[in-house]
Amino acid sequence: ETGVTQSPTHLIKTRGQQVTLRCSSQSGHNTVSWYQQALGQGPQFIFQYYREEENGRGNFPPRFSGLQFPNYSSELNVNALELDDSALYLCASSRGGRNIQYFGAGTRLSVL
Amino acid sequence: SQQGEEDPQALSIQEGENATMNCSYKTSINNLQWYRQNSGRGLVHLILIRSNEREKHSGRLRVTLDTSKKSSSLLITASRAADTASYFCATDAGGTSYGKLTFGQGTILTVHP
Repeated sequence: ETGVTQSPTHLIKTRGQQVTLRCSSQSGHNTVSWYQQALGQGPQFIFQYYREEENGRGNFPPRFSGLQFPNYSSELNVNALELDDSALYLCASSRGGRNIQYFGAGTRLSVL
Repeated sequence: SQQGEEDPQALSIQEGENATMNCSYKTSINNLQWYRQNSGRGLVHLILIRSNEREKHSGRLRVTLDTSKKSSSLLITASRAADTASYFCATDAGGTSYGKLTFGQGTILTVHP
């Protein structure tokens, strides 16, 4: 197991609501990346945070936003939830963005 | 969007047999990585091969990379039931995209005891 923890494990929301997902990075890691994995698909890159600054973003709308805190933990916020946001959300941490990424177990979000 | 395709989409073999999975990608890369995922949970890093490498080994894993064909293969030798999982290739384009992985759609491997 990696030292990356995500919470909550499962979450059920209704369309239009907002959600916050949390990720604690592995000790010594200063970079956190977030991925969305729809059922039966590979993960898709949402964005990356390095030393509290956004350091790259994938093809996701602005209602997907994030934060990284001084202890390098991170949050993913999604506003105005849509049915298609139902997915497994994965957080990965690394020591700098150029190294191997260690993934958490994910948060499974269901939007009804 | 996905970087490329993995082939086959599903593979079913007996314990002790070898399993080969292929990955194709579309753009230039700095490195290519393979990950394993059990039952829709977190991904586990298996092996990384850089664009200037052609082959790499790690235990029962052998990865090849052909940048001229934009393709890679993962070979698992002497498969075990515990190898049952989904396997994904992920490319890192480097440069300003360093560390932003682009994943394939994955191969579901089932190893029967």
